[in-house]
Amino acid sequence: DAGVTQSPTHLIKTRGQQVTLRCSPKSGHDTVSWYQQALGQGPQFIFQYYEEEERQRGNFPDRFSGHQFPNYSSELNVNALLLGDSALYLCASQGGRIHVARNEQFFGPGTRLTVL
Amino acid sequence: GDSVTQMEGPVTLSEEAFLTINCTYTATGYPSLFWYVQYPGEGLQLLLKATKADDKGSNKGFEATYRKETTSFHLEKGSVQVSDSAVYFCALSQGSQGNLIFGKGTKLSVKP
Repeated sequence: DAGVTQSPTHLIKTRGQQVTLRCSPKSGHDTVSWYQQALGQGPQFIFQYYEEEERQRGNFPDRFSGHQFPNYSSELNVNALLLGDSALYLCASQGGRIHVARNEQFFGPGTRLTVL
Repeated sequence: GDSVTQMEGPVTLSEEAFLTINCTYTATGYPSLFWYVQYPGEGLQLLLKATKADDKGSNKGFEATYRKETTSFHLEKGSVQVSDSAVYFCALSQGSQGNLIFGKGTKLSVKP
């Protein structure tokens, strides 16, 4: 059973560019969350997708957008990249429609984004 | 808003030493509490969790008890191994959304 997978593993972009990161959830999971982890910090919640809609959003600007596909996979898009967007971007998936807060989130290995 | 505060590292211990990593939280309602571990170059793995007051989560020799009266969820292990070297994150989630709120992490290094 494959866990959460993310692509690419590493990415280098320049300021002002746009980037798309991809995530495939663990089999059976229907909810995908994205987190940004700056160096030496804990992950910060960006947004969560369920049934192809953004269900909740953290304190991130509109430059960060996402999408969930019918097969539950998800994309994170970041426009107009800033140096401060350099971070490890983590995707997490979870399953079930009830007691969401108590469902375990499974994390992927992350995508390391470097903005020059 | 909700937040998690954990002891700053790095923490360096000798093999077989006792480990405590302190974690306190601020939250409305009754959050679920978690400890995640991140090994070098990897993503996060759930280490243990507790969903209500006085619950004790345990896994791989690690334990943490949900203490509502002190809003704490301290991580303990009686005898650490070199393989326990990693960064440990305390986190909470609540409500119907289930997003995780993390502390800043504590880096543990265990020397032989």
